[in-house]
Amino acid sequence: DIQMTQSPSTLSASVGDRVTITCRASQSISSWLAWYQQKPGKAPKLLIYKASSLESGVPSRFSGSGSGTEFTLTISSLQPDDFATYYCQQYNSYSLTFGGGTKVEIK
Amino acid sequence: EVQLVQSGAEVKKPGESLKISCKGSGYSFTSYWIGWVRQMPGKGLEWMGIIYPGDSDTRYSPSFQGQVTISADKSISTAYLQWSSLKASDTAMYYCVRLRGEFEHMDVWGKGTTVTVSS
Repeated sequence: DIQMTQSPSTLSASVGDRVTITCRASQSISSWLAWYQQKPGKAPKLLIYKASSLESGVPSRFSGSGSGTEFTLTISSLQPDDFATYYCQQYNSYSLTFGGGTKVEIK
Repeated sequence: EVQLVQSGAEVKKPGESLKISCKGSGYSFTSYWIGWVRQMPGKGLEWMGIIYPGDSDTRYSPSFQGQVTISADKSISTAYLQWSSLKASDTAMYYCVRLRGEFEHMDVWGKGTTVTVSS
């Protein structure tokens, strides 16, 4: 099974900050990676797929990059609505695996 | 509007059976894979399995194979997740999701069904 490791597990930041979250795969997954945002008490929401493709309706301050085993989600200027937990998910193999999550908190 | 509407919260006792549902609307239900994702209290997301409603082809995560059954009734655009004998450790939120393809990313999420198993 492919393991996904996110870092950091918690991140404290202020409105307007540039924020970067990293996701590492235990083996190469090409660009088969998605990012989701989950707010407390709500279902996750797709932000990015195929490592860098922005889902329709998602603000352009969100961007994804990477390939192989290392990926990043960047929020260019953190907004109040962005405080949430973010998950990566690989879909390279005949299995689907999520990272452990990164909680973005208000500093 | 594309949406997945899940059945309501359940409270059950250990050993009881349960079947929860997920009804798709606003798109061709038989043309997309539907999956189930578990989130235990305060924890992350775990993929359980997927089904293609068009022909009921099903794939399970090794962690959930034999523990749950996923099914679908395409005539009413509804997918199901069922347990034959619940355990306290099945207490969790369960999300149904639409996948863009087999073993793909998840572009539509239901609001979730809370399952509580307690004696």
